[in-house]
Formats: sequence, structure tokens, C-alpha cells
Amino acid sequence: DAGVIQSPRHEVTEMGQEVTLRCKPISGHDYLFWYRQTMMRGLELLIYFNNNVPIDDSGMPEDRFSAKMPNASFSTLKIQPSEPRDSAVYFCASSPSVRDYGYTFGSGTRLTVV
Amino acid sequence: AQRVTQPEKLLSVFKGAPVELKCNYSYSGSPELFWYVQYSRQRLQLLLRHISRESIKGFTADLNKGETSFHLKKPFAQEEDSAMYYCAGWGINNNDMRFGAGTRLTVKP
Repeated sequence: DAGVIQSPRHEVTEMGQEVTLRCKPISGHDYLFWYRQTMMRGLELLIYFNNNVPIDDSGMPEDRFSAKMPNASFSTLKIQPSEPRDSAVYFCASSPSVRDYGYTFGSGTRLTVV
Repeated sequence: AQRVTQPEKLLSVFKGAPVELKCNYSYSGSPELFWYVQYSRQRLQLLLRHISRESIKGFTADLNKGETSFHLKKPFAQEEDSAMYYCAGWGINNNDMRFGAGTRLTVKP
């Protein structure tokens, strides 16, 4: 298995532009999580899905952020419009169960909004 | 609120010295706790799970319910252990994993 695959690895965009981050979880994993990592705030859970259904999106910072999981093998995190304070590393992770396994993380997308 | 706390943002030790990265939790019931490691500009990797009672790369962590702690220990630190370490846990009433703020370990030669 190739693990959790995220694309792109790096994204530089101008303020106001739309940004779409992509994630392919490990096949068979029922849970998918989106995290944001910054120096100031560490790892923040943005949203997670169970069987493609969003379960908890309370960590999504504001309406500019949205996430979808149209099928078991693909999820997107979209920021529209982007702002410089959105600059961070965005990680996707998947897990086969809620409790006893832990997560497998993707390599992350480093987003820079200028 | 159920959470894990890592009181040290930075920890620096010399090669060969023992190292202990602290993690405290505030969960009701029996938490399931993990340590993750992130080497420079790489993905987070699961280091160990308390339910496995395993030792990975010489690291161990014991759940101490009396002290509500899950400290990560290694008797002899190596330079390649330099990384960011995150303690994380599930709670009974949570469906998502909560991460501590992380501790950056630097092992000096």
C-alpha cells in the first residue's frame, strides 16, 4: 500500500485565490482526518469523516474552508478565498478504526498564501 | 475537557544521555494513548501505542494512571532522535484523536 497520498506537496498562491488540497486515504480505512499544523498552534483537527460522511467539522476555522469526501478513496479540502494566515502545513490522515490503531498520516501539503 | 498536555516545548540533551518527554492526560475512564514522531519536514509517524506495550527505536512509554501520565523515555539518546514528538490520545467520549502541543527534542553531539 502506498500509504496516505496528498497532493500537491507544495502550493504557493496569491491572497484571494481558491486553493484545493487533495487526499487519498489507505484503502479500507473508514476514517479520514484533516489537520492543520502551524508553529503557533501546533496540530489542529479541522474535520473528520467516517465512511465518507462528515462527522465533526467544528475545527474548520471559518466558512472559507470546506471539505468533501465524494467516495471512499478521495477527499478535498478547499479554501476560498485564501488569506495569508491560512499558510500552514495541511495533513490528511486515515485510520481503520476509531480507537485502537492510531492514524497513518500523509506527507502533508505546505501552503503559502502571499 | 479531555486532552493531553506536553509541558515542554523544547528539550535538549547530549548524545548518550537519558531522555524523557513528558505527557499528561486528562481523560475519564481508560484512555488509549500514542506517541507520534515527526522528523524534519516529514510526515508524522506513529511511534508507539500504549496498548502494545512495545519498544520502538529504544523508546518506551508507560501509562501511569495514578499520575495520569504517559511519558516517553529512552535510556541513551542518539542524534537521529532529534525530532518533534507528539503525545496523542483517544478519550471514551471523543471520536477523534487529540494531540498535545508537541516537544521538540534536540540531541546534541
